[in-house]
Amino acid sequence: SSELTQDPAVSVALGQTVRITCQGDSLRSYYASWYQQKPGQAPVLVIYGKNNRPSGIPDRFSGSSSGNTASLTITGAQAEDEADYYCNSRDSSGNHRYVFGTGTKVTVL
Amino acid sequence: QLQLQESGSGLVKPSQTLSLTCAVSGGSISSGGYSWSWIRQPPGKGLEWIGYIYHSGSTYYNPSLKSRVTISVDRSKNQFSLKLSSVTAADTAVYYCASSLSGYDPTSVPPYYYYYMDVWGKGTTVTVSS
Repeated sequence: SSELTQDPAVSVALGQTVRITCQGDSLRSYYASWYQQKPGQAPVLVIYGKNNRPSGIPDRFSGSSSGNTASLTITGAQAEDEADYYCNSRDSSGNHRYVFGTGTKVTVL
Repeated sequence: QLQLQESGSGLVKPSQTLSLTCAVSGGSISSGGYSWSWIRQPPGKGLEWIGYIYHSGSTYYNPSLKSRVTISVDRSKNQFSLKLSSVTAADTAVYYCASSLSGYDPTSVPPYYYYYMDVWGKGTTVTVSS
């Protein structure tokens, strides 16, 4: 399958925890990577692999995976975390293709 | 620190060919383990993967674009390129280039591979219009 499904939008109160999910058959074979995109800016990698953060990404961002679902959790959300978030994975068809999730808009209240 | 910069024509006429280049600095495009990707984002929409080229030269494309896309590498200039033929208004988008890496987690059951785009260019806007 070549689809990754995300909830279109979620909201979180400042300082609270929010989890963003990504569902797709390919996630049974590959870990997802997660990207944050703020308006007018390029996406930025925030989580990759089992639960790895690139240098400079705050430790309030974490990732997990179970079955066909990958999750990105922001623990103690900050105003600057308001953005669109996309998951990405290899297509499980074996054809070396990538697929992006549909994206989730996170609003920090 | 790897940096990527897109350049190319910002306005393309319908039915013509879109051509973009991504200049790589801070590292070699021939570095083993890397692949070099193109991604686009139509106005107000999500990200769409276009395709990538391995350091070895192998290419892989989005099936929906495969008949129109060519990605190539110029090692002498440390850059890679995208050509998209027969463009229409639906190809209007911000086009990004990115470097990609992969990894393997042998502790997972079953073992998992993972792939990620670690460095992105700032993006370039391409408009298809007569």
